[in-house]
Amino acid sequence: QSALTQPASVSGSPGQSITISCTGTSSDVGGYNYVSWYQQHPGKAPKLLIYDVTNRPSGVSNRFSGSKSGNTASLTISGLQAEDESDYYCNSYTNTNTRVFGGGTKLTVL
Amino acid sequence: EVQLVESGGGLVEPGGSLRLSCAASGFTLSSHSLNWVRQAPGKGLEWVSSISSSSSFIYYADSVKGRFTISRDNAKNSLYLQMNSLRAEDTAVYYCVREVYGYYAFDYWGRGTLVTVSS
Repeated sequence: QSALTQPASVSGSPGQSITISCTGTSSDVGGYNYVSWYQQHPGKAPKLLIYDVTNRPSGVSNRFSGSKSGNTASLTISGLQAEDESDYYCNSYTNTNTRVFGGGTKLTVL
Repeated sequence: EVQLVESGGGLVEPGGSLRLSCAASGFTLSSHSLNWVRQAPGKGLEWVSSISSSSSFIYYADSVKGRFTISRDNAKNSLYLQMNSLRAEDTAVYYCVREVYGYYAFDYWGRGTLVTVSS
């Protein structure tokens, strides 16, 4: 149950697009289309952004999108806004019926 | 409105025990799997345990297996986490989390309860 690998930090300017990667193995990310993404502002509970790799819950901005290639999933945020500055976590279902999170990525909007 | 409210956190000595509770409202508890997710101070999220809607399927992270026990009472709209043999590394905010019906994703989170393991 090793944590998925995410970059510790990413940054971008308002209006730009950024991508956060989430690398696992064939036992988790690569083996299932059950990757989800969460946004967490300081002192708050996480919020679901993406589920099943590409699906957005109702109410989540279409500026957030997800994809996957092999053992790596990605979250793309387009039209970056100041309010997007936050921590982002990926999560995957695994072949032992457990779940595993990524280490988290801090997004800074310059 | 869906609400998940955790309770039972506090300060406990290493080797001690604590039982967390989560009171759910605003939805049919028996339709959803539930999870505990924790976050150590200044650290990332760590999945702890899950329990299916009828308690038939229960899973744990390796870090807590054999020490923690998850359970639920659908009649009381409640989720529990019995934590034994607590260690300093168990210090964290513990979140009660609902799983999206039919999907492996977490759509509602409680505000969390802080567990501190220290002498």
